[in-house]
Amino acid sequence: AQSVTQLGSHVSVSEGALVLLRCNYSSSVPPYLFWYVQYPNQGLQLLLKYTSAATLVKGINGFEAEFKKSETSFHLTKPSAHMSDAAEYFCAVSLNTGGFKTIFGAGTRLFVKA
Amino acid sequence: KAGVTQTPRYLIKTRGQQVTLSCSPISGHRSVSWYQQTPGQGLQFLFEYFSETQRNKGNFPGRFSGRQFSNSRSEMNVSTLELGDSALYLCASQTGGSGVDTQYFGPGTRLTVL
Repeated sequence: AQSVTQLGSHVSVSEGALVLLRCNYSSSVPPYLFWYVQYPNQGLQLLLKYTSAATLVKGINGFEAEFKKSETSFHLTKPSAHMSDAAEYFCAVSLNTGGFKTIFGAGTRLFVKA
Repeated sequence: KAGVTQTPRYLIKTRGQQVTLSCSPISGHRSVSWYQQTPGQGLQFLFEYFSETQRNKGNFPGRFSGRQFSNSRSEMNVSTLELGDSALYLCASQTGGSGVDTQYFGPGTRLTVL
């Protein structure tokens, strides 16, 4: 069975500080992993995706994530937080076993302090 | 290309009523997925349609149903509304077929049940 665990429902950083959002997954098949961002009253926007091509994945807005199979992790990082990064972030695993489905983590709300 | 569109954006209904939500996928995308987002349960998969056929279904009661038309547009219906059905309903489209490709999300329909 597939599942996603995001550690920390809320993370607060200062502007300019490192952003680290943690995600661990469980998957019985090679995982396709995604990070999405959601701003208030909006849908989900794709930040980046891992599809087994490279373990370090670069996304939009300066975000990147590293796939570590041994740790079953896919943590999201950004070297320097900006006020505009304040949003909710979701880690997800997608699979297609005769039908497409995405399982999301509970989400982490990122606060950025001036 | 135009993005995923969902109508209406906001709905207010009373308990016992039924509601129909609409989703128009990105042109050329043949797969549409639906998700329910609530503060308590997070993002949960409802169902996925591909070429007018439901390929996958989440763990929701039979009051939740959907369909897809030949132009790939999709609707979901909720009958006998309950207070707990209040949520943001997100639709996502992807090219479909086998494998896992990127999902593109619409802005959602905010349903309030009174």
